[in-house]
Amino acid sequence: DTAVSQTPKYLVTQMGNDKSIKCEQNLGHDTMYWYKQDSKKFLKIMFSYNNKELIINETVPNRFSPKSPDKAHLNLHINSLELGDSAVYFCASSLLQIRTGYYGYTFGSGTRLTVV
Amino acid sequence: AQKITQTQPGMFVQEKEAVTLDCTYDTSDPSYGLFWYKQPSSGEMIFLIYQGSYDQQNATEGRYSLNFQKARKSANLVISASQLGDSAMYFCAMREVMDSSYKLIFGSGTRLLVRP
Repeated sequence: DTAVSQTPKYLVTQMGNDKSIKCEQNLGHDTMYWYKQDSKKFLKIMFSYNNKELIINETVPNRFSPKSPDKAHLNLHINSLELGDSAVYFCASSLLQIRTGYYGYTFGSGTRLTVV
Repeated sequence: AQKITQTQPGMFVQEKEAVTLDCTYDTSDPSYGLFWYKQPSSGEMIFLIYQGSYDQQNATEGRYSLNFQKARKSANLVISASQLGDSAMYFCAMREVMDSSYKLIFGSGTRLLVRP
């Protein structure tokens, strides 16, 4: 049973389009995240939500809008896609309070977005 | 600002031998956590091991151990008895606390290739 699941796994789209990536976790975690991995494999956080509340917004363009309908789901909507948005986007979740040594920080399998 | 440095872009190791992947960090926060993740060619991020700054003993998980040297601010990953399946990118990361959330600051990664 997948702990953090993202859909779709691959997304190819044209410049200017709007697209969404969905993420769901069944770990009972209270915090969810979006990370971006660029073509050089560098990973950087974009957003964090705790119990549906936006906590971290790391200077991401306004074209990116996360939405958390409940604490098990965090979706990422991207408007007016640009070539530079091509990357792998990872969803992750964790606990806020320490119950496991690593806060249960778990990543989804990633969505490879290609903008043409 | 917190920083993670992985100085080895790529490494080779012979199957069944041990290998050490280097990671140094910089933080002024007395409470921090250090993670290692594995990213195989399939792309998912796999949690390997965690070390908390107040943990008295070095973390171990099966063939993975973390050589934590607090005074030197290093958290090297040691993989014993390398297997062909260990060929992957390896990322060191540090937990940064932000309000009601945590984010991970990642290093640039080390690509490990295990030779038969």
